[in-house]
Amino acid sequence: AQSVTQLDSQVPVFEEAPVELRCNYSSSVSVYLFWYVQYPNQGLQLLLKYLSGSTLVKGINGFEAEFNKSQTSFHLRKPSVHISDTAEYFCAVSGPSGFQKLVFGTGTRLLVSP
Amino acid sequence: ETGVTQTPRHLVMGMTNKKSLKCEQHLGHNAMYWYKQSAKKPLELMFVYSLEERVENNSVPSRFSPECPNSSHLFLHLHTLQPEDSALYLCASSQERNYGYTFGSGTRLTVV
Repeated sequence: AQSVTQLDSQVPVFEEAPVELRCNYSSSVSVYLFWYVQYPNQGLQLLLKYLSGSTLVKGINGFEAEFNKSQTSFHLRKPSVHISDTAEYFCAVSGPSGFQKLVFGTGTRLLVSP
Repeated sequence: ETGVTQTPRHLVMGMTNKKSLKCEQHLGHNAMYWYKQSAKKPLELMFVYSLEERVENNSVPSRFSPECPNSSHLFLHLHTLQPEDSALYLCASSQERNYGYTFGSGTRLTVV
């Protein structure tokens, strides 16, 4: 079984500053990793995913994440955030099954202030 | 219309009512999911349907009853709910070996 830990429940940051949202996972098998974003009163939207290959993954809205197998981490980064990035961010993991069963972390609320 | 559509967006129901949540996907995906999102808790996977067969039921109380009449539609029938069932209910779909869910906007359910 897989599990995901997002240690930071909330991350405050000023506009145009860099940000890193942390995600650690545990699994006994190879995994696929995802970051989703949820804006208020909306569903979850896929930001990026790691399936295989390059450990640095680029996603939408200027976000990127790096898969680190030795540290079982998949941290999300953005070099310069905007007010509009204020949202809840979820890390998720799945195993290599035919259909996916995603296991989500508890989420990190990113608060961007001017 | 594209993507995953959930109706209604908001629902208030009494504990003795019967209601249904509807999810429709226009993506040609072959798996559909119900998740429950409560404040301060991780998203909870409730049910998974793959090729219209229920393949997972995560110990969900029987007052929640899913139905998948075809690969494009998923329902969640609700009856005699409790106040702690108030939450955002999210539907998602995916295509086998095309990784990543597509989520609907959710139904905000309030049980009074």
